[in-house]
Amino acid sequence: AQSVTQPDIHITVSEGASLELRCNYSYGATPYLFWYVQSPGQGLQLLLKYFSGDTLVQGIKGFEAEFKRSQSSFNLRKPSVHWSDAAEYFCAVAAIYSSASKIIFGSGTRLSIRP
Amino acid sequence: DADVTQTPRNRITKTGKRIMLECSQTKGHDRMYWYRQDPGLGLRLIYYSFDVKDINKGEISDGYSVSRQAQAKFSLSLESAIPNQTALYFCATSDRASRGGTQYFGPGTRLLVL
Repeated sequence: AQSVTQPDIHITVSEGASLELRCNYSYGATPYLFWYVQSPGQGLQLLLKYFSGDTLVQGIKGFEAEFKRSQSSFNLRKPSVHWSDAAEYFCAVAAIYSSASKIIFGSGTRLSIRP
Repeated sequence: DADVTQTPRNRITKTGKRIMLECSQTKGHDRMYWYRQDPGLGLRLIYYSFDVKDINKGEISDGYSVSRQAQAKFSLSLESAIPNQTALYFCATSDRASRGGTQYFGPGTRLLVL
């Protein structure tokens, strides 16, 4: 069965520091992978997605993620965080050729930014 | 204007009351979804609809019902609300032609059941 694990519930980084949020997935074939961000009081906004091809995916707001099949990971990175990046981040996986009903979300990682 | 809208944005109700949460979209997508979000649990799928005549249960449909009144509208009802249905509810849409079924979310409805 598909599953997504985000091992870090809460991370605090200093403004200007680099960021990496971890995501591990479980799926038997090549998955579709997503990162969403939820700012306080807001809905989920798509940051980036991976379907195939280049394993390093660029997204909005300066984020990128790298798909590593050997590690079943899809970690989100940003070289220098800004105070406005404080939010909750969700990794999600969908089965390829799926009916799109089987997108599974991780439990989320809350990011706080230290001034 | 937002592509996916939800009304109300906040709602307080009492145990046993029937309430309806509404979702409308202007994205022209054929697929719509209802999720609930609870702290530490991420998003869990309640119901989904691939078109007006196709409605399916998600992983936590008990205590909920839905209605797809039109391609652009998808409502979630709690027939008899209970306190453990207190949560943040999200509507989402996707396009069948979209590879991977990328979903687009509304701003959410915060529901408190007393």
